[in-house]
Amino acid sequence: EPEVTQTPSHQVTQMGQEVILRCVPISNHLYFYWYRQILGQKVEFLVSFYNNEISEKSEIFDDQFSVERPDGSNFTLKIRSTKLEDSAMYFCASREQGGNGYTFGSGTRLTVV
Amino acid sequence: AQSVAQPEDQVNVAEGNPLTVKCTYSVSGNPYLFWYVQYPNRGLQFLLKYITGDNLVKGSYGFEAEFNKSQTSFHLKKPSALVSDSALYFCAVESRDAGNMLTFGGGTRLMVKP
Repeated sequence: EPEVTQTPSHQVTQMGQEVILRCVPISNHLYFYWYRQILGQKVEFLVSFYNNEISEKSEIFDDQFSVERPDGSNFTLKIRSTKLEDSAMYFCASREQGGNGYTFGSGTRLTVV
Repeated sequence: AQSVAQPEDQVNVAEGNPLTVKCTYSVSGNPYLFWYVQYPNRGLQFLLKYITGDNLVKGSYGFEAEFNKSQTSFHLKKPSALVSDSALYFCAVESRDAGNMLTFGGGTRLMVKP
């Protein structure tokens, strides 16, 4: 069964550093998403991406966040200057055109120290 | 705006007994409803979804959920719980009228004891 692949599975970074989280969505999917789950809390929507541009974003997705699909395969989330409160599990998801299901990756656990 | 409520932080049930994990939602437009399960240090695994049609939806691992429009609920059920069902369960809703994203409930931890 097709999977959404996320790398790395765990990243530790120092406060103020830039991080890039990588995702390879399912190949025929056209909608891409990033969600965040702070430890023990609910899963929160960050951003959706379609047709090479952001289609929706939440209040969490401020100027320090950006997304990109640089090569038609990878879908990346960049955090420009990490803060302690950015520590969370970040999930990538994708969905096909007209599809009614989201496929989630296994997540990247980001720890900011 | 769309929202999901999971009123129980934790549900405890004995192995072999039926289980119910509750979910209510609020959306404008027709809801698409989902249940996901998360095992420790793992991602979100899809269990089942309601899009349209029969109100009783059957999913993975023997789980099912019933869509109740009048009560705006989508409770997750299983006739006979297994210890291996112990995990964190998330209900989620999407309304295409409100944008293409899932809104999750706060999660319910299911503990099945032998």
